[in-house]
Formats: sequence, structure tokens, C-alpha cells
Amino acid sequence: AQTVTQSQPEMSVQEAETVTLSCTYDTSESDYYLFWYKQPPSRQMILVIRQEAYKQQNATENRFSVNFQKAAKSFSLKISDSQLGDAAMYFCAYRGNTPLVFGKGTRLSVIA
Amino acid sequence: DVKVTQSSRYLVKRTGEKVFLECVQDMDHENMFWYRQDPGLGLRLIYFSYDVKMKEKGDIPEGYSVSREKKERFSLILESASTNQTSMYLCASSLVGNPMETQYFGPGTRLLVL
Repeated sequence: AQTVTQSQPEMSVQEAETVTLSCTYDTSESDYYLFWYKQPPSRQMILVIRQEAYKQQNATENRFSVNFQKAAKSFSLKISDSQLGDAAMYFCAYRGNTPLVFGKGTRLSVIA
Repeated sequence: DVKVTQSSRYLVKRTGEKVFLECVQDMDHENMFWYRQDPGLGLRLIYFSYDVKMKEKGDIPEGYSVSREKKERFSLILESASTNQTSMYLCASSLVGNPMETQYFGPGTRLLVL
């Protein structure tokens, strides 16, 4: 079975600085998709960014980018120019032939 | 915008009660999911459904059942609530066919079983 590991239960970053959240996964599938979701306090979970495994180019969405290392099975999220609104739980998720598998999450605090 | 709504934000029930959690989506999505979210454990899939009257077990189906009589509605049922089912329950929906398609989540129901 596929597993997703987020090794950092909590992280903090100064406003306007850059932070990287780590995610590793374990799979024997060759075709799969990776996602980062954000869950702000008391608000709905939303998609931040997604990556197709067959694409070597790292996905980017405004201040959010990923570092996808397929051989290492690593999918880290970089948040640039951090803002107070980035404070949230962040979940890494994997999808292959089964429904999404989520990591345990990283709680990100942003310090003003 | 896709909207996924859940019948209650907060719910308090007694041990042994039958509990219904309702989820409705308005975008004609085929797929619907129920997760529970616990601190330090992330999201764990309870049940999912790919179509009306179809259901599949997820990773932790024990103690739960589901019903999908209409495409837009997916219900999670706790036949006899227990204290270890105190949790946040999240519903989600998505389109079938495109694995890159995101899941859209509801606001969650925080259930307390006393």
C-alpha cells in the first residue's frame, strides 16, 4: 500500500521569508499524482498545487512551488514571501490507482 | 464554484445513539468520500462512492456505513456511536475520469460522543 510521510509536525516561518515543507512517499506504481492541500483554521481544505509524476518540470502556482524528486520519492512544498494567511495545516497527498492517500500534516505558523 | 456542504458543523451525541452525517455537493460529481481527521493521524478514508447506490470501503470502515441514494448526497451513518468515534468528519467530492482532478471538501463536522 502507498504511504505518505510528512516528517515535520510543526513549522514556523517569519513573514516574507521562505519555508519548505517536506513530503516523502512510498509506491511501486509508475503513474501517479501528487498534491498539496491547505486547511486554514476553521476553514475548508483547498488545493494548493499538484504534480503529475511523468512531468519532470516542477509545478508552480504563484508563491507556491514544489521540488519533485521522483527517484527519491520526495515532493516538498516551498512557500515564498510567506504571508499571515499562509498559516494552516498542510497535507501532502498521493493518488495512484486508489483514492487519495494523505500524510499526517504539517502545521505552519507564520510569525509577524 | 463547487460547493460541498455538510449538515452540521458541530454535533454532540450519546454513546449508543445512531448518528447521521449528511453531505451534499452541487456540481454533479460522481465521486464522493468520507474521511475522519484526527490530530497526528491526518485524514483517513472511511468510505467512498463512485456512483449512486455504489459504495467502497476505505481504510477504516469499521463502525460506519454509508448511503448514496442520490448523486448529490452521501450520508455517513454511525450505527451505534462510541466515544472513539469522536472526531472531525470531512466529506469531499470529485469528478470521475481525470486523476489530476482535485477533491473539493466540505467544512467538516466536529462530532463529540459522550
